[in-house]
Amino acid sequence: QVQLQQSGPGLVKPSQTLSLTCVISGDSVSSNSAAWNWIRQSPSRGLEWLGRTYYRSKWYNEYAVSVRSRISINPDTSKNQFSLQLDSVTPEDTAVYYCAYASGSPGAFNIWGQGTMVTVSS
Amino acid sequence: DIQMTQSPSSLSASVGDRVTITCRASQSISNYLNWYQQKPGKAPKLLIYAASSLQSGVPSRFSGSGSGTDFTLTISSLQPEDFATYYCQQSYSTPLNFGGGTRVEIK
Repeated sequence: QVQLQQSGPGLVKPSQTLSLTCVISGDSVSSNSAAWNWIRQSPSRGLEWLGRTYYRSKWYNEYAVSVRSRISINPDTSKNQFSLQLDSVTPEDTAVYYCAYASGSPGAFNIWGQGTMVTVSS
Repeated sequence: DIQMTQSPSSLSASVGDRVTITCRASQSISNYLNWYQQKPGKAPKLLIYAASSLQSGVPSRFSGSGSGTDFTLTISSLQPEDFATYYCQQSYSTPLNFGGGTRVEIK
């Protein structure tokens, strides 16, 4: 059974970088049938998919247009985890951030991390 | 981008009621439609994937139907633990958008 454990700061200053990590147990970040996602939720934006990384003989990344210029999702095979970096944050980036696992087709998010409330404030 | 529209945004129902929530995609997504339940302070939980397949461990009172652009989540007999917010989500193409949610409240 796959489990995801998130970690990272709950408070980030405006213009700085938001960094979160999701540690995987029960599967490999390099699995050829999994995709590793970041999703956030706020009252104003609802549930918003931010992006994903996955391995299909090589690494792929896909990002939402709304954050494409500021986001990076990176796998770490040595630690079996993946991370989110969101640059130049503003108060609008305040949200609960989730990592989520999707396996095979049709790619539903069948396992979620516990969520991290991130507040952007000075 | 594919937009997902849920209706209603909220509803009030009693224990034992049959509840139906609809989700419409802005273009055809075949059966790449998933349903989630979320309770306050918790992460969403997958209920239905591929429009009509019940996720392991989910009670059989939950069912999903539809294909193309129109989909339905049905709870056949509402139980106290089912009061929550429900979201649809398309996995046909990125960005993997969610609907706005339907809050199911106690009447």
